[in-house]
Amino acid sequence: GNSVTQMEGPVTLSEEAFLTINCTYTATGYPSLFWYVQYPGEGLQLLLKATKADDKGSNKGFEATYRKETTSFHLEKGSVQVSDSAVYFCALSPYNTDKLIFGTGTRLQVFP
Amino acid sequence: DGGITQSPKYLFRKEGQNVTLSCEQNLNHDAMYWYRQDPGQGLRLIYYSQIVNDFQKGDIAEGYSVSREKKESFPLTVTSAQKNPTAFYLCASSIDSASYNEQFFGPGTRLTVL
Repeated sequence: GNSVTQMEGPVTLSEEAFLTINCTYTATGYPSLFWYVQYPGEGLQLLLKATKADDKGSNKGFEATYRKETTSFHLEKGSVQVSDSAVYFCALSPYNTDKLIFGTGTRLQVFP
Repeated sequence: DGGITQSPKYLFRKEGQNVTLSCEQNLNHDAMYWYRQDPGQGLRLIYYSQIVNDFQKGDIAEGYSVSREKKESFPLTVTSAQKNPTAFYLCASSIDSASYNEQFFGPGTRLTVL
């Protein structure tokens, strides 16, 4: 079946540190991959996406590369800010469907 | 401003009562979705609708019902048959049902059943 596995949080970092949040997936065919972010008390916002192997999604300094050989879509940022504190969800959409399958989310806490 | 609105933000109900959560979008999107979010479990799909007057069950539809009489509206009813209804409910929409499309989320409704 289709599933997404994320590293457990919370991830606690100092401002300007390097961030990696691991995400691996299981899927048949060629899914689309997404990172969504949820700030406290709010809904989810799309952060970035990739729709085919070797695509790199990027937005607001965050990046993730669709790695089919390792079935991974790790989220990275070179220098985090306090305002990046949120919960990050990795998700996949199986080929030819509109469903989103989410990981359990990873809470990021950035301290000054 | 285009977007998705959910109301109310907080909702309290007594056990055994049905309650309806509102979701409206003015993005002219065909597809709409309802998710439930519980701590440590991510989001789970309750129901979705790809077009007006049509909807399908998601992974956890038991105890819930929906309607899609208008393109912009997709209300969710939490019935008394739902055994553990206290959760954060999120509505989303996308332009159509293609897999690579972004889903846009509303701000959510936190339901507490007393």
